[in-house]
Amino acid sequence: EVHLVESGGGLVQPGGSLRLSCVASGFTFSNSWMHWVRQGQGKGLVWVSRIYGDGRDTTYADSVKGRFTISRDNAKNTLYLQMNSLRAEDTGVYYCATDGGYSLYHWGQGTLVSVSS
Amino acid sequence: QSALTQPPSVSASPGQSVTISCTGTSSDVGGYNRVSWYQQPPGTAPKLMIYEVSNRPSGVPDRFSGSKSGNTAFLTISGLQAEDEADYYCGSYTSSNTRVFGGGTKLTVL
Repeated sequence: EVHLVESGGGLVQPGGSLRLSCVASGFTFSNSWMHWVRQGQGKGLVWVSRIYGDGRDTTYADSVKGRFTISRDNAKNTLYLQMNSLRAEDTGVYYCATDGGYSLYHWGQGTLVSVSS
Repeated sequence: QSALTQPPSVSASPGQSVTISCTGTSSDVGGYNRVSWYQQPPGTAPKLMIYEVSNRPSGVPDRFSGSKSGNTAFLTISGLQAEDEADYYCGSYTSSNTRVFGGGTKLTVL
């Protein structure tokens, strides 16, 4: 069974940084594209970033380009999202998800990021 | 990377059918057969219901079906059940090799 567990969320001031982690199990992590998705309180889903299995190819939403960095450690079955220069609009629950058929197939339960002074 | 357009809400009675639309552009929905649909009951993570326009993952009831015409995709739920009440989101691959979601549709089972 696929299992994704996010962590690293919390309260941070505008301009601050956080690193999110997503530990994966139940599938061959190194072969899997992975995504991060954000959801503001009471709002819709916003795609954030994607990384190929070998970590060499990454893509970002325009709203986070230059501020966020997606990475992975296949030896630890862990996906990361380094978030710098955080803004109030970055607030929300961050989900990691696997890729399948160009969709987001399996989702974690999310970790909450709050950007506020 | 504008969000795909969905109706904010739809409603129907148990046993009836309902269809949710998702409109994009030729750079996303219309350009690829890579549209997906997600179900999100309150307080839970999204769940994949349809991928590549019309394919159901294992375990998803065949009451759920997907289709596409031009730049608009559709999710149809037939034989509505109370447990289907949730927010539904469409998603698409884009020509920029990114993904984009719709704004979400709240389904109310009357």
